[in-house]
Parts: sequence; structure tokens; C-alpha cells
Amino acid sequence: AQRVTQPEKLLSVFKGAPVELKCNYSYSGSPELFWYVQYSRQRLQLLLRHISRESIKGFTADLNKGETSFHLKKPFAQEEDSAMYYCALLNAGGTSYGKLTFGQGTILTVHP
Amino acid sequence: DTGVSQDPRHKITKRGQNVTFRCDPISEHNRLYWYRQTLGQGPEFLTYFQNEAQLEKSRLLSDRFSAERPKGSFSTLEIQRTEQGDSAMYLCASSAPRKTQYFGPGTRLLVL
Repeated sequence: AQRVTQPEKLLSVFKGAPVELKCNYSYSGSPELFWYVQYSRQRLQLLLRHISRESIKGFTADLNKGETSFHLKKPFAQEEDSAMYYCALLNAGGTSYGKLTFGQGTILTVHP
Repeated sequence: DTGVSQDPRHKITKRGQNVTFRCDPISEHNRLYWYRQTLGQGPEFLTYFQNEAQLEKSRLLSDRFSAERPKGSFSTLEIQRTEQGDSAMYLCASSAPRKTQYFGPGTRLLVL
């Protein structure tokens, strides 16, 4: 069964500090992974997906198949990055294609 | 089109009552997903549709839950004989095939 683990429920950093939100996954096939973000009083929205290999709002995430990880990183955190972050794994097989499995989420707080 | 919409945004009901939620996806999206999110957890998959066909149902979806998408456009999720454990945020998402899922704002259900 596929599983996503975000070991940190809460993460606090100061503005300008580097930040890393951890995500580990378990999946038998070739994984497609995403980071979704939910700002206060807003809907869940896609931050980035690994196949795009792009940087959004200064965030990057590299898929490490050996360590089954997809950690989210940003070199210099900003106060507006404070939000709930979810790592999600796409089920890419058969009729279940498209189902997302989410981690429990990490609340990031960036202090001034 | 302003994105995925859900109605109502909040629902308070008494145990044993039936409730129905509506989701309007982005118009050109043929896939529609329902997720449930309880406090402190990430969203959990409930069911999804491709056009009007319901392709998968999670074991989380007991017999009291039913979802429809009669014309392949909007969808409804009905919960019969609600229980306190049904209290959660119910999220709807839509996507084009093999594309990003876009989430609605959710319907928060409280069962007293």
C-alpha cells in the first residue's frame, strides 16, 4: 500500500533561515510526488510537482528514489511562507490513476 | 471560471440527519475527486469520477455515503444517518486526465 510520511507536524524558523520540510514515501511503482500548500483561510493549492523540476516561490524538491524521499527546501524563508504543507503521492496504476495519498502535513511558521 | 466551488461551505446537523454536499468542478475537467480531512490529518481519498462513471470508492466510504455525478458535470456527496465521526472537512477536486488536481474550498461538516 502506498504511504506518505511527514515526520514533523510543526516547524519553526526565522526569516532568512533555510527551511527543509521532510517527506518520505512508500510505493511499489514509479512515484509521482507533489507538494501542496494551504495558506491561512485559503484552499489547498499545488506548490510543485517533481516531474516539473521547477522552483516555485523559491522552493525546490528533489525526488530521491534511493531514500524514498521528496523533501521540500528553500534557502531563505520568508514570513509569507508560513502555511500548512502537504506532501502527496499520486497513484499511477490502473483505474486508481489520479488518487492522491497525502501525508499528515507540516505547519511551517516563519518568525520575523 | 473561478475554479472548483463547493456548497455549502459549512453545515451543522444533528446526529441521524441526512446531508448533501455539492461540488462544481472546473468546466473542462472530466475527473472529479472527493476527499475527507479530519483535524490534524491530511486529506484522505473517498471516491472519484471520470465523467459520470464512479471508478473507485475507498473503504472509508461506508454504505451511508453515496456520491453521484449524473451528467458528468457537478457532483453530490450524500451522507445518510450522520454520526459524530462524520464531522470533517469534505474536499472536492477536479482535473483533466493526468493533470494537476485543483481543490475546492471544502465543506466543513459538524455533527452534533
